[in-house]
Amino acid sequence: SAVISQKPSRDICQRGTSLTIQCQVDSQVTMMFWYRQQPGQSLTLIATANQGSEATYESGFVIDKFPISRPNLTFSTLTVSNMSPEDSSIYLCSVEVGRRPSYNEQFFGPGTRLTVL
Amino acid sequence: GESVGLHLPTLSVQEGDNSIINCAYSNSASDYFIWYKQESGKGPQFIIDIRSNMDKRQGQRVTVLLNKTVKHLSLQIAATQPGDSAVYFCAASDSGTYKYIFGTGTRLKVLA
Repeated sequence: SAVISQKPSRDICQRGTSLTIQCQVDSQVTMMFWYRQQPGQSLTLIATANQGSEATYESGFVIDKFPISRPNLTFSTLTVSNMSPEDSSIYLCSVEVGRRPSYNEQFFGPGTRLTVL
Repeated sequence: GESVGLHLPTLSVQEGDNSIINCAYSNSASDYFIWYKQESGKGPQFIIDIRSNMDKRQGQRVTVLLNKTVKHLSLQIAATQPGDSAVYFCAASDSGTYKYIFGTGTRLKVLA
């Protein structure tokens, strides 16, 4: 398994500002992901955070809005840029433990609850 | 596009009874499935997984059933307890993309 922490746990931000969310894992992992969970809804994958290269974004998400860093195998950041109230969500970091091509469990951090006013 | 859906948004169960949460998926290439439990204010917690070469897998008080013919899986919780109250998500993935598609979630309420 993996223990994942996120900072901050929650924040209230003004529109037009940016927030950087940190994700720290207690062990080295190859695969790290960022998800968004809007109020009362399911999880949507934003991007895969690749170590040493640019993140891979899903349809509907772009680097200018959600820049991601992955400087090493235990840490990643997600920035929510130029925020609007529509960005109010829970942002979740997850990691995949194990080695592909076998399927491996995916563990989630506690999430960052963002409210944009 | 791909989707993973749940049949009921809310399920109320008497404490001690068995719970059954259902999930349908649309991608016939999906071959790995996970059930997650999410309590209020927390991230999703892995419960149990199943690969497409199986139709049943059991854990502690939980059983997952997979019916590939109709693209349906279910999570059974035996002797439901108050601590089981949470939102449950299914997620499906396939060896082509390794991406997980999450269902909409079912809120399980355990009645005392």
